[in-house]
Amino acid sequence: KNEVEQSPQNLTAQEGEFITINCSYSVGISALHWLQQHPGGGIVSLFMLSSGKKKHGRLIATINIQEKHSSLHITASHPRDSAVYICAVRPTGNQFYFGTGTSLTVIP
Amino acid sequence: ETGVTQTPRHLVMGMTNKKSLKCEQHLGHNAMYWYKQSAKKPLELMFVYSLEERVENNSVPSRFSPECPNSSHLFLHLHTLQPEDSALYLCASSQQLGGEQFFGPGTRLTVL
Repeated sequence: KNEVEQSPQNLTAQEGEFITINCSYSVGISALHWLQQHPGGGIVSLFMLSSGKKKHGRLIATINIQEKHSSLHITASHPRDSAVYICAVRPTGNQFYFGTGTSLTVIP
Repeated sequence: ETGVTQTPRHLVMGMTNKKSLKCEQHLGHNAMYWYKQSAKKPLELMFVYSLEERVENNSVPSRFSPECPNSSHLFLHLHTLQPEDSALYLCASSQQLGGEQFFGPGTRLTVL
């Protein structure tokens, strides 16, 4: 069983909608990483956080360490946001453990 | 070139072939990683190098052999692979071990 669970697995939204992707994990962690993977495979780092909230443009990431949960929000979604969003957690040590990803499609 | 580059981008090989995947990072990072990504599965860490020393080897079959000649280059040597080894192989680097990771575009490998 994967220690990192993401929901939903698939998400379709209309352009302009507010989107939330969730990540839950079962172990104590020192950091959490949100990544974006476009068709073709390339992976881009979005955020790395260990507490609170981070914002970059239309993207917001939050984490609740006590509840072992993080969310990635996209405001005013756009078709170019269509991608797979991957959550990864780092327990003690240096290794990240990855979720299976949330596939997002934004329709014009 | 900027960021993390990988060559080749696509590779088709027979089970008896020997090939190598190459990764180069232009970020001045100290740690480099090989990951395997199969369909519908999470990324699997294969190998980790820090300052050219291997620090992780996650029970990877010996038909995969990594090499890190310097802190900017990482190779994955492949020999006598199996069809189930077909996957996307991703290289990543980070400033220090366990830090924010920057990925290359990947090599799509097909083993016939």
